[in-house]
Amino acid sequence: AQKVTQAQTEISVVEKEDVTLDCVYETRDTTYYLFWYKQPPSGELVFLIRRNSFDEQNEISGRYSWNFQKSTSSFNFTITASQVVDSAVYFCALSEEVYNFNKFYFGSGTKLNVKP
Amino acid sequence: GAVVSQHPSRVICKSGTSVKIECRSLDFQATTMFWYRQFPKQSLMLMATSNEGSKATYEQGVEKDKFLINHASLTLSTLTVTSAHPEDSSFYICSARERSFGGNTIYFGEGSWLTVV
Repeated sequence: AQKVTQAQTEISVVEKEDVTLDCVYETRDTTYYLFWYKQPPSGELVFLIRRNSFDEQNEISGRYSWNFQKSTSSFNFTITASQVVDSAVYFCALSEEVYNFNKFYFGSGTKLNVKP
Repeated sequence: GAVVSQHPSRVICKSGTSVKIECRSLDFQATTMFWYRQFPKQSLMLMATSNEGSKATYEQGVEKDKFLINHASLTLSTLTVTSAHPEDSSFYICSARERSFGGNTIYFGEGSWLTVV
């Protein structure tokens, strides 16, 4: 079974629109970490956020915000006032504490196209 | 700047030859490194866990004799794709774990594009 599901394969928006990227995860561990990474065409993974399972506070960083809901096993990512430079593939990832700590399970990614 | 460096960033090799990709942790010692593979327009999939001084642990379906991993020092892990074929063409990316009092931090390398012709 998929541990991390990103149901949106590709999203296209016009610049300045807000966009939310969905992420649903599955784990039996009580201690785990969730991540979001941005992958531009060059390939490198750009770290955006890490959240541990005990911290359900939402976080805002500039135009980026994250909504962590343990009740629905979701960790959604919102970009406010999107810009063309936000165009990339975004990956949500899960890392479990026991045994597989630091082994990442990546979602399938969501390609975001921001048009001018 | 990058704390995990991969080399080469791009490599083209002929079918049947072997190619080595290096993953180095800069400024910290990494007892554990991880190798991922990403086919075009797909997600990243873990291939193996590289442990310094011991054998790598491979994920199910990954041929250990084809993808040789060596983690001979605390700052270097290498992935060698042996007898490469066009279907091995992919983006390979490593990550390294830095241990600290505050917990573990994972850093990803910049990745290596392999094209087998």
